[in-house]
Amino acid sequence: NAGVTQTPKFQVLKTGQSMTLQCAQDMNHNSMYWYRQDPGMGLRLIYYSASEGTTDKGEVPNGYNVSRLNKREFSLRLESAAPSQTSVYFCAGGTGWYSNQPQHFGDGTRLSIL
Amino acid sequence: DQQVKQNSPSLSVQEGRISILNCDYTNSMFDYFLWYKKYPAEGPTFLISISSIKDKNEDGRFTVFLNKSAKHLSLHIVPSQPGDSAVYFCAASAVYNNDMRFGAGTRLTVKP
Repeated sequence: NAGVTQTPKFQVLKTGQSMTLQCAQDMNHNSMYWYRQDPGMGLRLIYYSASEGTTDKGEVPNGYNVSRLNKREFSLRLESAAPSQTSVYFCAGGTGWYSNQPQHFGDGTRLSIL
Repeated sequence: DQQVKQNSPSLSVQEGRISILNCDYTNSMFDYFLWYKKYPAEGPTFLISISSIKDKNEDGRFTVFLNKSAKHLSLHIVPSQPGDSAVYFCAASAVYNNDMRFGAGTRLTVKP
């Protein structure tokens, strides 16, 4: 009954360090998404994967890369972390844009970059 | 460029009264609208949605109204309960543009 699981829950990095945020879902969703949430900004889409083997940029992709490892897993990588990437990151799974169905979110990763 | 706006950062209501949360959007291509609820240290959870072909959708205590001409939607919670205290996000998607935008959220506090 896990739904969408994100690891780690918290992380502190130094500027320039790299890190991969992990996301796994057990809901058999075809599509997966990465968002960031910043104060006063709501959630903004970083990257999404409409299906296994495909990835596309969202609204704020700069500084990030993603990998859709298989149907269950979708990771987000920061190659060289910057303080502007301090945020709460949410992964979500869904049935895709055309389905008009809601997404299911993980509980987030709170990332601080010093 | 915030295409979805929630102009009230916070709202406080008394238990049992109606809560009305508002959302405005600018992109006329949006055709599906959702409300999510978020508790601290948790991810957003889906609450209710409405398609652009409708002007009202109801689910128990929750009703969403859509006014396409005004590019405005609202969420009504009646009666409000203390457990409804959370941050509410409005979201809009444009299916054929593969895009979804969220508002900044409104923090609802329901006082006993």
